[in-house]
Amino acid sequence: EVQLVESGGGLVQPGGSSRLSCVGTGFTFSRYWMSWVRQAPGKGLEWVVNIKQDGSEKYYVDSVKGRFTVSRDNAKNSLFLQMNSLRAEDTALYFCARVDDYGTAVDSWGQGTQVTVSS
Amino acid sequence: DIQMTQSPSTLSASVGDRVTITCRASQSVSRWLAWYQQKPGKAPKLLIYEASTLQTGVPSRFSGSGSGPEFTLTINSLQPDDFATYYCQQYNSFSFTFGPGTKVDIK
Repeated sequence: EVQLVESGGGLVQPGGSSRLSCVGTGFTFSRYWMSWVRQAPGKGLEWVVNIKQDGSEKYYVDSVKGRFTVSRDNAKNSLFLQMNSLRAEDTALYFCARVDDYGTAVDSWGQGTQVTVSS
Repeated sequence: DIQMTQSPSTLSASVGDRVTITCRASQSVSRWLAWYQQKPGKAPKLLIYEASTLQTGVPSRFSGSGSGPEFTLTINSLQPDDFATYYCQQYNSFSFTFGPGTKVDIK
């Protein structure tokens, strides 16, 4: 069974930093593109970033470019999201997600980790 | 960047109804369109990918159609478990965009 478990969320001050982690089990982690998707309270889903299997390609939504950095450690089946210069509008539930074999949709999701940016 | 719209934003329906949700992209996305179902407090669930391919385990009352800029998700004979919010999502150039969502609630 595919499982994705996120950690690292919490309360952060505006301008601060936070690092999210995700561990994937039940599948060959290194074979898949991975994503982070977020959902602000009471709002819809927003794609944040995609990272290729070997980490060589990364694609970000414009609103986080230059502030967020995605990485992965395939030896540890882990995905990371380093978030700097956080703003109130980054407050959201952050989902770790596996991109499907075709690379065009998300077929597995974690339960999410909450990030709250507030003073 | 490709923008996605969905209509309606809210839909009130009864058990047994046939429900249709429309998703439109600001430019053609070929057939790279997926649909998700999300219930409160839960992660989304993939229903359909590549516009019309049903994800394994998804009931056959769900179906998708369309290409280019306009797509539809149809739920035949709505069941109590189907009251949820539905999102479309496009793929283009290694990036995704989600639609704003359609909430299906009980009439």
